[in-house]
Amino acid sequence: EADIYQTPRYLVIGTGKKITLECSQTMGHDKMYWYQQDPGMELHLIHYSYGVNSTEKGDLSSESTVSRIRTEHFPLTLESARPSHTSQYLCASGLGAGDTDTQYFGPGTRLTVL
Amino acid sequence: DQQVKQNSPSLSVQEGRISILNCDYTNSMFDYFLWYKKYPAEGPTFLISISSIKDKNEDGRFTVFLNKSAKHLSLHIVPSQPGDSAVYFCAASAGDDKIIFGKGTRLHILP
Repeated sequence: EADIYQTPRYLVIGTGKKITLECSQTMGHDKMYWYQQDPGMELHLIHYSYGVNSTEKGDLSSESTVSRIRTEHFPLTLESARPSHTSQYLCASGLGAGDTDTQYFGPGTRLTVL
Repeated sequence: DQQVKQNSPSLSVQEGRISILNCDYTNSMFDYFLWYKKYPAEGPTFLISISSIKDKNEDGRFTVFLNKSAKHLSLHIVPSQPGDSAVYFCAASAGDDKIIFGKGTRLHILP
């Protein structure tokens, strides 16, 4: 059973607000990821980290930013939320060791920006 | 351009029968393949994986088959149970720690 947590699970917020989506894992995984998923669509990688102080942008351009100050914590921040940011945000972590690139997902945050 | 394709958006199967979910990929560099299961309002749960050096991997009721020449993999669930109703994502990795996901197939298990 993977131990990865996301808060909040649901968030409805007005345009222009700053928000931070929290993600924590207790498995000691070095690698962590943020995905964005719209209904009926594939998961798109928006950020990833290979360890503390390492962050990279993913394949899908995103206005969000991330930080990795501690191994277990990988928060995602939107400085000014817009309706186009409405989506489900999924955090994942994994060992990423060659052919065992299994990633374990948190429950997700469903964000609605009005 | 989609690198991992799940061409069936949905599939309905009678309880007790076999469910077969299909997935095609285009990138010949993919060497590790995974299936995830997702319930509504939850994150994807890892189900089963297969390395490109194998053509079959089995775990209980779940079996994944890989046909590298056809760039095709399939997930077999037998027997299908009501709790198997979910969205199933096929995913692939080229060894760079990034996973590319398909759009998913919604599986309905009928009583």
